[in-house]
Amino acid sequence: KNEVEQSPQNLTAQEGEFITINCSYSVGISALHWLQQHPGGGIVSLFMLSSGKKKHGRLIATINIQEKHSSLHITASHPRDSAVYICAVPETSGSRLTFGEGTQLTVNP
Amino acid sequence: DVKVTQSSRYLVKRTGEKVFLECVQDMDHENMFWYRQDPGLGLRLIYFSYDVKMKEKGDIPEGYSVSREKKERFSLILESASTNQTSMYLCASSPRQGNTEAFFGQGTRLTVV
Repeated sequence: KNEVEQSPQNLTAQEGEFITINCSYSVGISALHWLQQHPGGGIVSLFMLSSGKKKHGRLIATINIQEKHSSLHITASHPRDSAVYICAVPETSGSRLTFGEGTQLTVNP
Repeated sequence: DVKVTQSSRYLVKRTGEKVFLECVQDMDHENMFWYRQDPGLGLRLIYFSYDVKMKEKGDIPEGYSVSREKKERFSLILESASTNQTSMYLCASSPRQGNTEAFFGQGTRLTVV
C-alpha cells in the first residue's frame, strides 16, 4: 500500500505570501490528486496530474514522478484560500485512493 | 453541475441506535465510496462499491455495513452506533475506469452520544 506524507501539517501565512505544500509517496503511480476542503467539510478536486505542471488561476501543481514528490503552490495567497489541502494517490487497482493527512492552511489578512 | 449529495450535514444519535447515512450521485458513476475523517488520521476508506449490489471492505469496515440497491445511491449503515463512531463521514463517486477525478459530497458530521 502506498504511504503518502504531506508537509507541513499546519501553515499560517499573511495575505499575499507565496505558499508551498509538499506531498511524497512511496510507490510509483500514474497520477496524483490535489483536493481542497473548506470548513464545513465538502471536498473539491483541484488537480489530477501525471507529469510536469498544471495551473488554475493562482494555484500551481507540480509532480516529479522519478522522485515520487508533488508540490502545490499558491501565489498571492488570500484569506479565502484558508482550507485543508489533501493529496491523494491511486492504489494499484486505480479506483481506490490513499490520502495524505492534509495540510491546514490559514491565511491572515 | 455534477453532484454528490449526502442526506444530512449534521446528525446526533444515541449509543445503540441504528444509523443510516445516504449518498446519491447524479453522474451515472459505477464506483462509490464511504470514508470517515478524523483529526490526525486523514480520510480512511470504510467500504466501496463498484457496481449495483457489489461491495468491498475498505480499511476500517468494522461496525459498518453498506447497501447499494440502485446505481445512484450508496448507503452506509451503523448497526449499533457507538461513541467511537463520532466522526465526519464523506461519500464520493468516480467512473469505473481508474485514474479519474473523484467527486465528493459535502460530508455528514455524526455525533454519537
